Amino acid sequence: QKEVEQDPGPLSVPEGAIVSLNCTYSNSAFQYFMWYRQYSRKGPELLMYTYSSGNKEDGRFTAQVDKSSKYISLFIRDSQPSDSATYLCAMSRYNTDKLIFGTGTRLQVFP
Amino acid sequence: GAVVSQHPSRVICKSGTSVKIECRSLDFQATTMFWYRQFPKQSLMLMATSNEGSKATYEQGVEKDKFLINHASLTLSTLTVTSAHPEDSSFYICSANPLAGGIDTQYFGPGTRLTVL
Repeated sequence: QKEVEQDPGPLSVPEGAIVSLNCTYSNSAFQYFMWYRQYSRKGPELLMYTYSSGNKEDGRFTAQVDKSSKYISLFIRDSQPSDSATYLCAMSRYNTDKLIFGTGTRLQVFP
Repeated sequence: GAVVSQHPSRVICKSGTSVKIECRSLDFQATTMFWYRQFPKQSLMLMATSNEGSKATYEQGVEKDKFLINHASLTLSTLTVTSAHPEDSSFYICSANPLAGGIDTQYFGPGTRLTVL
């Protein structure tokens, strides 16, 4: 079993839709949870960062962490074609630890 | 935001040759740099953690004699793929942490696509 599981998609939605992206994990020691966006043939860029359980909102993006279920989510409201990319979840045990990535979910938002 | 560059962006080489990939932090100093490999439709897999002035720490299953890492300064780390073979073809991405940075300040480079013929 992989430490971090993520549905690779692709997920195709119309512009304006609410998108829900999810990851599950098996290691209860993970405390730091990140969502990265990666455009084709580019490096990942950090979108959201959460420590422990709870919600965090930034503009159209909301990250949720449920440590009891070992489940994290990223919601994108009012999705735009420019949101089309691969979204990777990543997590780590402590602040200077290595990141463990999910496989990434490819999202396509069509006009 | 902080910028990390990689050079070259893509390289094609013959089997058996060695390839060097550079990772530079352009506007900050990085004590720690990470090297990842990403196969098509797969996740980023950490290969090694590189600390300035000391030996790199390799992840399980990564051959340190095949993937040579040198972190010569606070702004430059290099990955050399020695005697490359077609199965080494992949997307190699580095990331860098600024001094006193945390998990949320790991900045990624744009990646290097290696194709071994």
